[in-house]
Amino acid sequence: DGGITQSPKYLFRKEGQNVTLSCEQNLNHDAMYWYRQDPGQGLRLIYYSQIVNDFQKGDIAEGYSVSREKKESFPLTVTSAQKNPTAFYLCASSIGTGGPDTQYFGPGTRLTVL
Amino acid sequence: AQSVTQLGSHVSVSEGALVLLRCNYSSSVPPYLFWYVQYPNQGLQLLLKYTSAATLVKGINGFEAEFKKSETSFHLTKPSAHMSDAAEYFCAGNTPLVFGKGTRLSVIA
Repeated sequence: DGGITQSPKYLFRKEGQNVTLSCEQNLNHDAMYWYRQDPGQGLRLIYYSQIVNDFQKGDIAEGYSVSREKKESFPLTVTSAQKNPTAFYLCASSIGTGGPDTQYFGPGTRLTVL
Repeated sequence: AQSVTQLGSHVSVSEGALVLLRCNYSSSVPPYLFWYVQYPNQGLQLLLKYTSAATLVKGINGFEAEFKKSETSFHLTKPSAHMSDAAEYFCAGNTPLVFGKGTRLSVIA
């Protein structure tokens, strides 16, 4: 089955710790995205990557970092510099033509800072 | 920069009634527009998308949306609501996607 997997589904972190969220896709998509979702805020773009070894900041990149060493993988690190990291994080991918690509979403990771 | 505005954070309808979820966009160029649905604690699923091929777009689960350039709108409709339609709905546009804040749909039996 083709799709996007995110792990873990629930993640707890102590203040001051970095944590990495996994995102893997087997759709052979070039583009991958990370969004943060807060109640009543919709989805806000953190980072996106249109090709391996390249990525761009989204609207709320501060306190986050990413890497894109493989086409299939786009991990997101939430650093201790992120002041309010508790949120639902969604990863997505698309073919990456630059046009009206449909983005396909993973099931999400809920991060809670204790 | 394009923005997407969803009118109404919460809409409640009776089962069998018309569903109307509103979305307006701002852009100086023809947009790409999408409607997604999200069930609790899950990712988003595409309902339909507008790519300028036709102004009336039909999607899954009986939903459709009409692109109206004169009104800069892309409202989502369904003739008859079902209990299973209760979810959060997001309008989004452009590339990379810009999302509205979402509308939670409740369906009353």
